[in-house]
Amino acid sequence: DADVTQTPRNRITKTGKRIMLECSQTKGHDRMYWYRQDPGLGLRLIYYSFDVKDINKGEISDGYSVSRQAQAKFSLSLESAIPNQTALYFCATSDTDGKNTGELFFGEGSRLTVL
Amino acid sequence: AQKVTQAQTEISVVEKEDVTLDCVYETRDTTYYLFWYKQPPSGELVFLIRRNSFDEQNEISGRYSWNFQKSTSSFNFTITASQVVDSAVYFCALSDTYNTDKLIFGTGTRLQVFP
Repeated sequence: DADVTQTPRNRITKTGKRIMLECSQTKGHDRMYWYRQDPGLGLRLIYYSFDVKDINKGEISDGYSVSRQAQAKFSLSLESAIPNQTALYFCATSDTDGKNTGELFFGEGSRLTVL
Repeated sequence: AQKVTQAQTEISVVEKEDVTLDCVYETRDTTYYLFWYKQPPSGELVFLIRRNSFDEQNEISGRYSWNFQKSTSSFNFTITASQVVDSAVYFCALSDTYNTDKLIFGTGTRLQVFP
């Protein structure tokens, strides 16, 4: 089983619908991230969390919200999906160990299509 | 502002050729980290290397080598004797000023290795 699991892996929805992407990890890491990947734009950070009580906006947080329900779970919500939120979404984790700075462990991605 | 530029959108080579992927970064920080990640066709991003800004020593790992030059703000990645399994999108990334686990990614270079 993958250490960082994302569900659903693929989702097609309609404009205006609420969507939740879930991420769970078994790595025991405190830090979790949501990135969005668009062709030609690379990966952009949406939100990140350093522990259960910590939520921080990233580069492109508008239109998104997150919930850190437990150390192992970090959910991304689109309250009212719009077509330009069609993208590949990645959850990632990292350890607080300074020796592993910046080494992110990614999930397999969730492809979201908003019609 | 911090920025990572990967000017090569797509590179195609024939197996056994050497190939270099370019990465140019911008930062005002004196301490920072640079990274390379690989995204194979399966989609999951995989960490390849981290380099501290104080360590300009080049690194070699098997067929992979990295050339870090602060004078030109570059962190280039060379694959020697490329193989079909090297086909992937490769991302260069830079650590954020205030949080070294927050990464700023380049737009990626798609490498296709043909048999």
